[in-house]
Amino acid sequence: GESVGLHLPTLSVQEGDNSIINCAYSNSASDYFIWYKQESGKGPQFIIDIRSNMDKRQGQRVTVLLNKTVKHLSLQIAATQPGDSAVYFCAESPGNKLTFGGGTRVLVKP
Amino acid sequence: NAGVTQTPKFRVLKTGQSMTLLCAQDMNHEYMYWYRQDPGMGLRLIHYSVGEGTTAKGEVPDGYNVSRLKKQNFLLGLESAAPSQTSVYFCASSALASGRVWFFGPGTRLTVL
Repeated sequence: GESVGLHLPTLSVQEGDNSIINCAYSNSASDYFIWYKQESGKGPQFIIDIRSNMDKRQGQRVTVLLNKTVKHLSLQIAATQPGDSAVYFCAESPGNKLTFGGGTRVLVKP
Repeated sequence: NAGVTQTPKFRVLKTGQSMTLLCAQDMNHEYMYWYRQDPGMGLRLIHYSVGEGTTAKGEVPDGYNVSRLKKQNFLLGLESAAPSQTSVYFCASSALASGRVWFFGPGTRLTVL
């Protein structure tokens, strides 16, 4: 079936630097995308979402970019902090279901 | 308001045993979902329900059954557990009519020996 994938399995970043996590999706019918953060032993935690009629959305220290032409979205984390260490998933939705990508682990170095 | 809760948190089964995982939500959501997450992977949809009394197959439904007898509960059953079903199971709910926001439970870690 259609799926969402990621380019980088692990991202090491220095504390204070910006992080960029990338994601490719394949379902052209998807019109809603979400980034989740998952800490060890916990369920996915909503970070930010974006609808297909937008190409950029900003939250607190996070920005999501959507490029529908190449079916790509990215999550930018500004001034990465130790608390940002986690696995990040992108997910896509064409309707009432949510399909997850494989995840990227972000390791923040002090 | 507890959100989405899952019972049990941990379970160890022997091959061939059966069990039921319970998901409950107190947000009056119409939609409920069961996902599994294997190590180093994203969540994969097992089954979902768009309302009381209705269920549908997701991406990886084989070996599982579900029931949605009450709007607030969504049960996931394993009739004959296999080692390949060792995973962490997450339940989620959503009120899609008011916006596509999924709320996830804390997960159930299942080990099948």
